[in-house]
Amino acid sequence: DVKVTQSSRYLVKRTGEKVFLECVQDMDHENMFWYRQDPGLGLRLIYFSYDVKMKEKGDIPEGYSVSREKKERFSLILESASTNQTSMYLCASRGAGTGYGYTFGSGTRLTVV
Amino acid sequence: RKEVEQDPGPFNVPEGATVAFNCTYSNSASQSFFWYRQDCRKEPKLLMSVYSSGNEDGRFTAQLNRASQYISLLIRDSKLSDSATYLCVVNKETSGTYKYIFGTGTRLKVLA
Repeated sequence: DVKVTQSSRYLVKRTGEKVFLECVQDMDHENMFWYRQDPGLGLRLIYFSYDVKMKEKGDIPEGYSVSREKKERFSLILESASTNQTSMYLCASRGAGTGYGYTFGSGTRLTVV
Repeated sequence: RKEVEQDPGPFNVPEGATVAFNCTYSNSASQSFFWYRQDCRKEPKLLMSVYSSGNEDGRFTAQLNRASQYISLLIRDSKLSDSATYLCVVNKETSGTYKYIFGTGTRLKVLA
């Protein structure tokens, strides 16, 4: 089975801090994604990557950046954390082609105080 | 109109009941459809893909109606362990790449 590992389950950060969320997958998937999930809003796509060093903006990229230096690792960066970025962050990976579902990591619950 | 819409529920059903959820989508060009299950404070997990001819996996049946642009999930003989939120997922092609759009989920509570 594909395993997607997120580095932290819970994080508490202060407003203005730079925050790194790490995600690693072990199945050589080309596609990786970062979502945030908020009550009533569902999952919203922040950024995705379909290859090493490639990145595409999702629906809500403002305040975030990403890095994909290696195929297995996709990092989400909050340049200057704000309280409205308090959320559950979910990383996912998927193989090439349209018929494959995502495999998600277990999520990082980030609280910005 | 949202790209993917679901009734948020909750659907409260007794054990053993049959329950069905629908999900409507707006992009007629969508080609991939899925149902995910999400337990409280956990990540979504793939329940099943949805194929044009309909497909079944044990007590779960998924169907696609392209003409009316909706997918459905039927759960027979509900178990307490089926209590979860069910997310509908539809793909969308943007600039040559595919991304998936999630519904906000339908919450199911199976009662003893």
